[in-house]
Amino acid sequence: DAGVTQSPTHLIKTRGQHVTLRCSPISGHKSVSWYQQVLGQGPQFIFQYYEKEERGRGNFPDRFSARQFPNYSSELNVNALLLGDSALYLCASSFFMSGVGTDTQYFGPGTRLTVL
Amino acid sequence: AQSVTQLGSHVSVSEGALVLLRCNYSSSVPPYLFWYVQYPNQGLQLLLKYTSAATLVKGINGFEAEFKKSETSFHLTKPSAHMSDAAEYFCAVSANSGGSNYKLTFGKGTLLTVNP
Repeated sequence: DAGVTQSPTHLIKTRGQHVTLRCSPISGHKSVSWYQQVLGQGPQFIFQYYEKEERGRGNFPDRFSARQFPNYSSELNVNALLLGDSALYLCASSFFMSGVGTDTQYFGPGTRLTVL
Repeated sequence: AQSVTQLGSHVSVSEGALVLLRCNYSSSVPPYLFWYVQYPNQGLQLLLKYTSAATLVKGINGFEAEFKKSETSFHLTKPSAHMSDAAEYFCAVSANSGGSNYKLTFGKGTLLTVNP
């Protein structure tokens, strides 16, 4: 079975540009979350989507946005890139968003974004 | 709000020795706790999770962790280290609190080195 897939694998942008990262969840999973992992740190939560609606947002500026499509895939968009946006962006999927917080999140390999 | 502290950013052991990676959490409500492993240039793989059933949790690759409420700890252990265990390990917490159960909060990670 295919796991979570992300594209592209690597990306180089310059300051001020815009970037779109893509994620396909595990088949049957309806929830997608995005995390930012800066070098040497643990992942930081950015967004969670479930059934195409935003269900949670981390402490990130409005330059960060996302959406989920009818097939449950997702895009993360970042506008006006800053040097500090350089990081590994991880997508995670889970079967559904229950009320007990125990749903396991399965992570993709990530997209390495470098901002010059 | 919840948080995780991983004691020791780098742990070095000899092959065949005990592995002990420390994790302490803070949560105002009963937590759900996870250990993930990250190999170089890869995403996160779930090792094990605690969801309020048994306090001793067994995971993949011979790892286990014990939930100790009195110590607010969830340390990861493996009796005998193998060279293939060399990786970065992340402890994470989520909590069923006000709808924020979707979010994983990670520690900063512990890099495990295994010496031959």
